[in-house]
Amino acid sequence: GENVEQHPSTLSVQEGDSAVIKCTYSDSASNYFPWYKQELGKGPQLIIDIRSNVGEKKDQRIAVTLNKTAKHFSLHITETQPEDSAVYFCAPQVTGGGNKLTFGTGTQLKVEL
Amino acid sequence: GAVVSQHPSWVICKSGTSVKIECRSLDFQATTMFWYRQFPKQSLMLMATSNEGSKATYEQGVEKDKFLINHASLTLSTLTVTSAHPEDSSFYICSARDLAGGWGETQYFGPGTRLLVL
Repeated sequence: GENVEQHPSTLSVQEGDSAVIKCTYSDSASNYFPWYKQELGKGPQLIIDIRSNVGEKKDQRIAVTLNKTAKHFSLHITETQPEDSAVYFCAPQVTGGGNKLTFGTGTQLKVEL
Repeated sequence: GAVVSQHPSWVICKSGTSVKIECRSLDFQATTMFWYRQFPKQSLMLMATSNEGSKATYEQGVEKDKFLINHASLTLSTLTVTSAHPEDSSFYICSARDLAGGWGETQYFGPGTRLLVL
């Protein structure tokens, strides 16, 4: 099965700084790469995703970059705000054949005032 | 759009009883729904894939007789934890795949159901 690792496991930044979380996966057949944000006591919320035919995607303060050769993709958050504090999960997927997501280990992001 | 609901949001039950959790896609149809379990400070672990009109597919190590899944319509899947024990206490989360969304791979998650077995 797919092995998925995230780094760092915890990240503390000052408000306004940028945050970067990296996700490394093992299955070279993975072709869909979403990032989810989970607030305490809630279900995960899709914040951005990218497909294998694209190297980068941006949505306001959030961006995702993909390096298929190296099998990793990263979440970039700029101008961080306190409400960005949450746990972030990557979940690479091989589309078709069940479309199962394999969640990464998670990154606790804390944005300090 | 793409809203998934779960009911109940939390439940406390006695050991040995059964608990049913509902997962609904409110504004889209989902032939496939997924059930996850999440323990405190851990990641989400897929338990089973629920397919409308057919039997669910369980992940290795998940007891199908203990976690009964029914997907009777394109908008509703249910998970029943039978003869619940304290070790079944966890946060159960469902997701639904939007058939109409892009390549159909995007999953939208429910708010979760917290189960506490005494």
